[in-house]
Amino acid sequence: DTGVSQDPRHKITKRGQNVTFRCDPISEHNRLYWYRQTLGQGPEFLTYFQNEAQLEKSRLLSDRFSAERPKGSFSTLEIQRTEQGDSAMYLCASSTGTGFGYTFGSGTRLTVV
Amino acid sequence: AQTVTQSQPEMSVQEAETVTLSCTYDTSESDYYLFWYKQPPSRQMILVIRQEAYKQQNATENRFSVNFQKAAKSFSLKISDSQLGDAAMYFCAYRRGGGSQGNLIFGKGTKLSVKP
Repeated sequence: DTGVSQDPRHKITKRGQNVTFRCDPISEHNRLYWYRQTLGQGPEFLTYFQNEAQLEKSRLLSDRFSAERPKGSFSTLEIQRTEQGDSAMYLCASSTGTGFGYTFGSGTRLTVV
Repeated sequence: AQTVTQSQPEMSVQEAETVTLSCTYDTSESDYYLFWYKQPPSRQMILVIRQEAYKQQNATENRFSVNFQKAAKSFSLKISDSQLGDAAMYFCAYRRGGGSQGNLIFGKGTKLSVKP
């Protein structure tokens, strides 16, 4: 197991376009988290899955954002009609059922031009 | 709501010296966990050390140790014998305990520079 994988590493998109990011967690981890990190800030929680169920969504997650985790394995985060304010690093993390020992991926850096 | 505050945006230390990074938090919970994460320029967050609130003994991991003051809601990180590879952003994070969903609440981070 090589850890948490995120794809793509970088994405440049034009304002108004839709983008989708993928996260592959550590296989035995049933919890998966998405965070957003803007420059000079700590990561901010977006949403959380336990297996395939999305159990928590932050108020930061506007209607333009949607996340899925079909079959409780990989997860996707889609942003529709991107805005310049969506430019950030999107981090994925996974953990075991205890919620301890998070492992983070390297992130997807989104730039909206 | 829980909050995490890191009051030092930047810190600098001479190689082989010791540096302490500060973190305070606010919570009404009694069961929680605290973490320090390191984020090098490659951007992957790496767990440095963690502390369970119910444990009185301060956690230690090799050159890294914490000073956990529960009553004061303070959780500082001490890095001994600093190395060039310690240069990174350091984030303090909080997580509720029990059956919560377990998302982390992060501070804004401290950028640590190590001078040769």
